Amino acid sequence: DVKVTQSSRYLVKRTGEKVFLECVQDMDHENMFWYRQDPGLGLRLIYFSYDVKMKEKGDIPEGYSVSREKKERFSLILESASTNQTSMYLCASSLIRQGQAFFGQGTRLTVV
Amino acid sequence: GESVGLHLPTLSVQEGDNSIINCAYSNSASDYFIWYKQESGKGPQFIIDIRSNMDKRQGQRVTVLLNKTVKHLSLQIAATQPGDSAVYFCAENMGSGNTGKLIFGQGTTLQVKP
Repeated sequence: DVKVTQSSRYLVKRTGEKVFLECVQDMDHENMFWYRQDPGLGLRLIYFSYDVKMKEKGDIPEGYSVSREKKERFSLILESASTNQTSMYLCASSLIRQGQAFFGQGTRLTVV
Repeated sequence: GESVGLHLPTLSVQEGDNSIINCAYSNSASDYFIWYKQESGKGPQFIIDIRSNMDKRQGQRVTVLLNKTVKHLSLQIAATQPGDSAVYFCAENMGSGNTGKLIFGQGTTLQVKP
């Protein structure tokens, strides 16, 4: 079975902190994605990556950056956390573009 | 920007009835579509997908219909069961080659009444 693992289920961070959310997939997938999920807004794409060291902005990249140094790992970085970044963060991966994306369990981040 | 939207935020159906969840997409260049189910506390799970060269695809108890003329996607669930209660998302993939964005709609909550 494909497994996408997010490092934390719950995180509480202070305003201004630098926050790292880690995601690892074990199926040699090319594509990886970071979304945030908020009530009534669905899943919004922050960044995606289609290869090591390659990334593209999604619809809401402001305040975020990403890193993909190894194929299996895709990190989301909040440079200076703010309260409006309190959300559920979901990581996903897919082998090919026209293939299903597999999701992790999500990280619920609270910024206080 | 482009958006993928579902027509209704909540759908309530009786157990045993058929459910139809609708989705409108706006990017005519999208060529791959997926339906996901998300249960409380879990990440979205794949239900069924369809490519733009098809207009219908069937799975076990589920059917996806694609109408490219009006840019509309629907998910039909036959004989809806309590375990089908969840939030359902449609997603479209726009891109070329092996890479592209996977964009989600806002979701429809399906409530199954016993």
